[in-house]
Amino acid sequence: RKEVEQDPGPFNVPEGATVAFNCTYSNSASQSFFWYRQDCRKEPKLLMSVYSSGNEDGRFTAQLNRASQYISLLIRDSKLSDSATYLCVVNPTTGGGNKLTFGTGTQLKVEL
Amino acid sequence: DGGITQSPKYLFRKEGQNVTLSCEQNLNHDAMYWYRQDPGQGLRLIYYSQIVNDFQKGDIAEGYSVSREKKESFPLTVTSAQKNPTAFYLCASTLDSIGWFFGPGTRLTVL
Repeated sequence: RKEVEQDPGPFNVPEGATVAFNCTYSNSASQSFFWYRQDCRKEPKLLMSVYSSGNEDGRFTAQLNRASQYISLLIRDSKLSDSATYLCVVNPTTGGGNKLTFGTGTQLKVEL
Repeated sequence: DGGITQSPKYLFRKEGQNVTLSCEQNLNHDAMYWYRQDPGQGLRLIYYSQIVNDFQKGDIAEGYSVSREKKESFPLTVTSAQKNPTAFYLCASTLDSIGWFFGPGTRLTVL
């Protein structure tokens, strides 16, 4: 089983749609969780951290379910500019200098 | 402006050659990382360094070497022992394990 699993997509959605991505992780001791966005042939950029209480940033909402080892990202009112690959990222332990484990990414294409 | 720079953006290597990829950061981050990205795969960790003059192997260190002589710099050498080096190489750094910042990457192609 992969340490971090994501549906690779692509998810093709019309502009204005709501889309949800899911991610599961295998290490129950994992401490911190993130969603990164990666545009084609560019570096990943932090979209948002994910907290147990859930967090929202504008049109984006992230949720963490520790019991099920499951992370989600919800995008409301999709824009063309949201088209990218979304990477689920897990940091297994606390402390400085720890390693991130990446999912393979979920590709989103927002269409007119 | 603070950030991470990588050079070159594109690099072509002949078989049997060693090449060195540069990574510099002025964020005052202690920890630096090298990842490799291949199509359809997640980023995979090559080497990381938590402090100057110290570094550890990641999941796919074979055929690579690094040094950390300065806090700001973490160069990666791809040696001739790396059998499949063509990939997108990403350098990252973090101060507190809360936010990782990535450089723009180097695309290495073996001719």
